Amino acid sequence: QKEVEQDPGPLSVPEGAIVSLNCTYSNSAFQYFMWYRQYSRKGPELLMYTYSSGNKEDGRFTAQVDKSSKYISLFIRDSQPSDSATYLCAMSRGISSGSARQLTFGSGTQLTVLP
Amino acid sequence: KAGVTQTPRYLIKTRGQQVTLSCSPISGHRSVSWYQQTPGQGLQFLFEYFSETQRNKGNFPGRFSGRQFSNSRSEMNVSTLELGDSALYLCASMLVPDPSYEQYFGPGTRLTVT
Repeated sequence: QKEVEQDPGPLSVPEGAIVSLNCTYSNSAFQYFMWYRQYSRKGPELLMYTYSSGNKEDGRFTAQVDKSSKYISLFIRDSQPSDSATYLCAMSRGISSGSARQLTFGSGTQLTVLP
Repeated sequence: KAGVTQTPRYLIKTRGQQVTLSCSPISGHRSVSWYQQTPGQGLQFLFEYFSETQRNKGNFPGRFSGRQFSNSRSEMNVSTLELGDSALYLCASMLVPDPSYEQYFGPGTRLTVT
């Protein structure tokens, strides 16, 4: 079983919809949680970063972390066709582990926002 | 500020050959990590270099190696290429210390092994 599970989709929504993307993880050592967006033939681009449980908002994006359930989410409000991409969740261990800079990724969810 | 650059962008090699990929991090970033991305396995961590020393290593065979130079530029090498090594190889750089642990990725090198 993978340490990080993510529904691969594909997910197709109409423009303006609220999108919910989710990941679950099994390793309680994960302390840092990120969401990356990857367009076709490009490298991943960091969207959101969170450390503790709770919500973090940045424009149309909200990241949510629930460490007790080992569950993280990314919400996209008022989705746009330009949001069409693959969304990857990523996690890393705490500083004390010595591997805080090693990211473990979910498999990615392919999102298409239809005009 | 220039982003992470990787060269070459595309490579075609034959089984058994070796290949060297290059990564130049964002100016001031001293940590460089390498990842392999395939449709089947997704993004997997290869190794990380900081201050010219390998700090972490993923679960890959010894055919995969790397190094980092004093200017923080990094290279990774794959020897005795196998068909399964065909992938997008991504490098990511990070400012250290950085309390947010944000890593910035390059566009990748797409390696095809025939």
